[in-house]
Amino acid sequence: DAKTTQPPSMDCAEGRAANLPCNHSTISGNEYVYWYRQIHSQGPQYIIHGLKNNETNEMASLIITEDRKSSTLILPHATLRDTAVYYCIVLAGGTSYGKLTFGQGTILTVHP
Amino acid sequence: SAVISQKPSRDICQRGTSLTIQCQVDSQVTMMFWYRQQPGQSLTLIATANQGSEATYESGFVIDKFPISRPNLTFSTLTVSNMSPEDSSIYLCSVAGQGAVGYTFGSGTRLTVV
Repeated sequence: DAKTTQPPSMDCAEGRAANLPCNHSTISGNEYVYWYRQIHSQGPQYIIHGLKNNETNEMASLIITEDRKSSTLILPHATLRDTAVYYCIVLAGGTSYGKLTFGQGTILTVHP
Repeated sequence: SAVISQKPSRDICQRGTSLTIQCQVDSQVTMMFWYRQQPGQSLTLIATANQGSEATYESGFVIDKFPISRPNLTFSTLTVSNMSPEDSSIYLCSVAGQGAVGYTFGSGTRLTVV
């Protein structure tokens, strides 16, 4: 599976949009981009995933560049409860039968 | 998505002893995964547990230290054997989602070895 690169930390003001970038320049054609987050002392939580098209659900939006070498997770109106470590993971197949390999992720701190 | 019950939620153990962690899922799943998260670190996959076959271990993890059972499609155990303080970590189980929903994780077992 392709390697991902994320900034180690980011800050965001409550109520503003949080934009978390991820580079995955070696991504293959059949690899999906998954985003998870881990709130302190809890297990990771699935947020969203996509292949090439932009995706939106009740939690977030995922913007994937046309060349698929990078993506951005958008939390449209960040709250204090969104403070967490966010992991960008590339996984082949998109059918949830592969192994999730976690990098160091981005520590997002939402402040009042 | 599946609901996972993981027990115990935390434990403090003496070095040299063993601890068995249980992971119960509310639906049948093909693959279950066990992770370790050392203090201040990201998650590291220990092994993949398939029902009816031996678990597949990642580099750096061995069956003698982390034996895994998978007796049916809804249950798995991970044992941390002959523990040392270096084994102090959070251990998490995970299952693959249905279709392409994503993976679900248990709430973790926080292990402290003294």
